[in-house]
Amino acid sequence: DTGVSQNPRHKITKRGQNVTFRCDPISEHNRLYWYRQTLGQGPEFLTYFQNEAQLEKSRLLSDRFSAERPKGSFSTLEIQRTEQGDSAMYLCASSHWGGGEKLFFGSGTQLSVL
Amino acid sequence: TQLLEQSPQFLSIQEGENLTVYCNSSSVFSSLQWYRQEPGEGPVLLVTVVTGGEVKKLKRLTFQFGDARKDSSLHITAAQPGDTGLYLCAGAIPTGNQFYFGTGTSLTVIP
Repeated sequence: DTGVSQNPRHKITKRGQNVTFRCDPISEHNRLYWYRQTLGQGPEFLTYFQNEAQLEKSRLLSDRFSAERPKGSFSTLEIQRTEQGDSAMYLCASSHWGGGEKLFFGSGTQLSVL
Repeated sequence: TQLLEQSPQFLSIQEGENLTVYCNSSSVFSSLQWYRQEPGEGPVLLVTVVTGGEVKKLKRLTFQFGDARKDSSLHITAAQPGDTGLYLCAGAIPTGNQFYFGTGTSLTVIP
């Protein structure tokens, strides 16, 4: 068990650019979640997948955000036309639904939009 | 809008002191979890409580789920510098499939 892996750990971009983050969950986990967290606050839910299906997406999530989990394994989160307000830590978590729900988080990707 | 409010938001105490962190909501949760997060890392699960009134102990940490399953508390006895971190509660609503996180409590234990 190598844990949840996120890449990159840090991303600095200019306003208006597109960015993509990757998350590799724990291999036997069927659920994958994306959260966003600003400094000193709790994580805010963005979206989650069960296997390859995206089952829920936050109403707060702008159309500029899109997530995929093409084969039910790794996932990507893309932000188009980044804005300064997108600066945050983006956290990925995985779990095995039906096995006593426990979220295992990655170390996150820290995004800074200049 | 945060479903779960935590208090206090910040807490700075001396090593050896006791403290309690509260997690409150007007919503009922099917389960509630507590996490600790260190700077630059993701949250790490400490405990899950499921039954109203349930109490769980993890060494010097005591977790309680409210009878109505709307609130929870975390009590730390004889705090140590290694307890420093951001403590987060997270609740799963009965009709949903994801966890809502609280606003967080940043704890600093001074040696």
